[in-house]
Formats: sequence, C-alpha cells, structure tokens
Amino acid sequence: DAGVTQSPTHLIKTRGQQVTLRCSPKSGHDTVSWYQQALGQGPQFIFQYYEEEERQRGNFPDRFSGHQFPNYSSELNVNALLLGDSALYLCASSLRVGEYYEQYFGPGTRLTVT
Amino acid sequence: LAKTTQPISMDSYEGQEVNITCSHNNIATNDYITWYQQFPSQGPRFIIQGYKTKVTNEVASLFIPADRKSSTLSLPRVSLSDTAVYYCLVTKDHTGTASKLTFGTGTRLQVTL
Repeated sequence: DAGVTQSPTHLIKTRGQQVTLRCSPKSGHDTVSWYQQALGQGPQFIFQYYEEEERQRGNFPDRFSGHQFPNYSSELNVNALLLGDSALYLCASSLRVGEYYEQYFGPGTRLTVT
Repeated sequence: LAKTTQPISMDSYEGQEVNITCSHNNIATNDYITWYQQFPSQGPRFIIQGYKTKVTNEVASLFIPADRKSSTLSLPRVSLSDTAVYYCLVTKDHTGTASKLTFGTGTRLQVTL
C-alpha cells in the first residue's frame, strides 16, 4: 500500500498564475482533506471532500477550489496566486473505523510563489 | 473546538523520558485528545488518541486527568529520531466533522546526544 501520494513534490509559480495539486488517497479511504502549512505554523484546514462533494470548508477564499473524482483522488486548485500562498500543501485521506477516523497525511507539495 | 496551549519548544538528551503537556480548558464532553508528530517536509503522523485516564501504545503514553482540562504526552527514552514537532489537538468523536483537524503551532522537540 503506497499510502497517500501527492504530486508534484515541488512547484514554483508566478503571482497571478493558477496551480493544480493532486492527491491519491490511501487505499480504501473515501474522504480527502486539504491543508495549507506556512513555514513555522501548523497545518490549516482548507476543505474536505466526500462522495465527490465539498463537505466542510475552512476560512479560505474562493480562489481555493477542489474536486474529488469517483476513484476518491482529489485536486486542489488555486487561482490568482499571491505571494502569501507559498506554503506546504498537505493532503490527508481518512476512513471511519468504528468510533474513530483513521487519517493519514501525504508528504505534501511545496508551492513557491514568486 | 477547544483551543490548545502547549510549550513552543523543548530540549532533551537521548535516552531521557520527555513529557509534553497540553492545556485544553474548554474541552467538550464529546471531544477527544489527539497527538500528531511531524518531521520537516513531511505530513503529520498520528501518534496517539485518548478520551480519559491513560492510553499507551508502542510509541507513547497519553495521560489525561479526570477534569480533562489538560493532557500529557509521554515519550519514553527518546532518540535523535524523535526530533520533530508535536501537535496536541482536540478532535470531535465519530461524527462527520471528526476528520477535520485544527492544529496549533505545536511543540518543537530537539533531542541531542
């Protein structure tokens, strides 16, 4: 089992551009969440997808959007990039197991906006 | 969700036991306490979760007093590879919102020889 995988590993974009990040969840996991982690900070919840729909959303502008595919993989899209969008973007997949949620994070995509 | 407060950083020597305390004064009845570990340029990794008293697994122990307003993560005999950031989180139970995690800034543990 490959666990949660994310692509690309690193990405450099220019202000105003658009970016798409990809995530493949752990086998059997049906829920995908995205987090943004700025340098020296803890991860901040962006949104979560379940059954191809956005189920929860954090305090992020509409420039951040996502999609979940029938195979549970997911994409994070960010439009009109700002310098402040530079961060590590983490994908986490989860599955309810009894009373708990089994949740695993991927290694992240390091986005640099110049 | 209850806000958590934990030390910004801690230092330890290899082989020592490390205890990281987290306060969560406003924890709700159906909230759990969960700890994650994060190495540089990696995603957080689940360590342990508990509701009350003591929980132990192969990695750590979690002590939660009766009032549940604080918790202590105990790492026995740390090694250099335990150098990481440790996050204390308050999480919901098995409802649909349980998988949304709210991270603080964590505790940066530095282990040296």
